Amino acid sequence: GAVVSQHPSWVICKSGTSVKIECRSLDFQATTMFWYRQFPKQSLMLMATSNEGSKATYEQGVEKDKFLINHASLTLSTLTVTSAHPEDSSFYICSAPAPDYEQYFGPGTRLTVT
Amino acid sequence: DQQVKQNSPSLSVQEGRISILNCDYTNSMFDYFLWYKKYPAEGPTFLISISSIKDKNEDGRFTVFLNKSAKHLSLHIVPSQPGDSAVYFCAASRGSGTYKYIFGTGTRLKVLA
Repeated sequence: GAVVSQHPSWVICKSGTSVKIECRSLDFQATTMFWYRQFPKQSLMLMATSNEGSKATYEQGVEKDKFLINHASLTLSTLTVTSAHPEDSSFYICSAPAPDYEQYFGPGTRLTVT
Repeated sequence: DQQVKQNSPSLSVQEGRISILNCDYTNSMFDYFLWYKKYPAEGPTFLISISSIKDKNEDGRFTVFLNKSAKHLSLHIVPSQPGDSAVYFCAASRGSGTYKYIFGTGTRLKVLA
């Protein structure tokens, strides 16, 4: 199957700072990637759709100015959590549809804001 | 509003027996359903899917059943193995090509050796 990677796997940042999370498709190109977040013991919630070469589309209730998404190339999407607060602490996962029509998920990034 | 629900947060099954994981949905517009398996600190991995035009799909030890009238689907694992111990998420979407999935809250399966 295809491989999607994320970096970093775990990050701690101070309240008020920004943190960038990278999502890469390693062996295929993805014009679209998706960003999810998961709170403990809860489901994965779709945050936004990252589109290569155009603006991301955000799900209802997700602040686009807080969660900046940039799909810089066909293999890289980044999620920047700006002015992070403790309530932004969560597990962030990206995914990408591969040429086999399946969607592959990255391993996730655990963000802790202190 | 949780459109996809997994009412059992956990399930324990003896090795070799059948594991049945259940999922209910509320949105009648969903027509494509999937099951994902997730280990701690890893992303979900695809297991099996089913389109609303079918009521059953089988892949090895995994079978998914869909009851559209009841808005219910289930995943059967037979026989269960210790390596199946993980969190299982069901997901639903409107169309298989949208890739915008609504996930349930997950069921933690523990297969006892």
